[in-house]
Amino acid sequence: GQSLEQPSEVTAVEGAIVQINCTYQTSGFYGLSWYQQHDGGAPTFLSYNALDGLEETGRFSSFLSRSDSYGYLLLQELQMKDSASYFCAAQDSSYKLIFGSGTRLLVRP
Amino acid sequence: DTAVSQTPKYLVTQMGNDKSIKCEQNLGHDTMYWYKQDSKKFLKIMFSYNNKELIINETVPNRFSPKSPDKAHLNLHINSLELGDSAVYFCASSLGGTGQANYGYTFGSGTRLTVV
Repeated sequence: GQSLEQPSEVTAVEGAIVQINCTYQTSGFYGLSWYQQHDGGAPTFLSYNALDGLEETGRFSSFLSRSDSYGYLLLQELQMKDSASYFCAAQDSSYKLIFGSGTRLLVRP
Repeated sequence: DTAVSQTPKYLVTQMGNDKSIKCEQNLGHDTMYWYKQDSKKFLKIMFSYNNKELIINETVPNRFSPKSPDKAHLNLHINSLELGDSAVYFCASSLGGTGQANYGYTFGSGTRLTVV
């Protein structure tokens, strides 16, 4: 079957660094995406990794290891506005985007 | 200008009714989707259209019928609504092919459907 596993909840302090892990199992794999969703809002695209390694976009970085079927999202210099749910999503061989169950990040002052 | 707009934003209806949700995108994208997000925030794909052609049809009750009159519009009609249909339904769009992952999906603001 197809599944993505990520922690249900993570808490961190403002200004800190937090890493949200994601392991995946899909039939065919093209790449791993990350989305952010604030309560009551729409998911918004953060990043995409097709190749192994680290992609950096401002305070956010995303990593992929295809051999380990593993990726993570790294958030630096956490701000209160980063409190949201973060979803990893894998694109399978039929170009379908399968989402993980989401990680709720709570940033405390 | 809203990139992906869906209406209505909220929908409260009784069991057994039939309802429709409309979605429009002005991004020039080739592919549109319907996702369902349940109370545990799990996002599950329902349907996908590429240039008006149905390309993904997940295991969804046939009470749900998508329609794409053109590549900028994707509507969802639901017959005989049940309590379990209560969820947030998101429309999304993307470029086709590998572009959909590279540049991501753009989601609408969602339709919160409550069946009573």
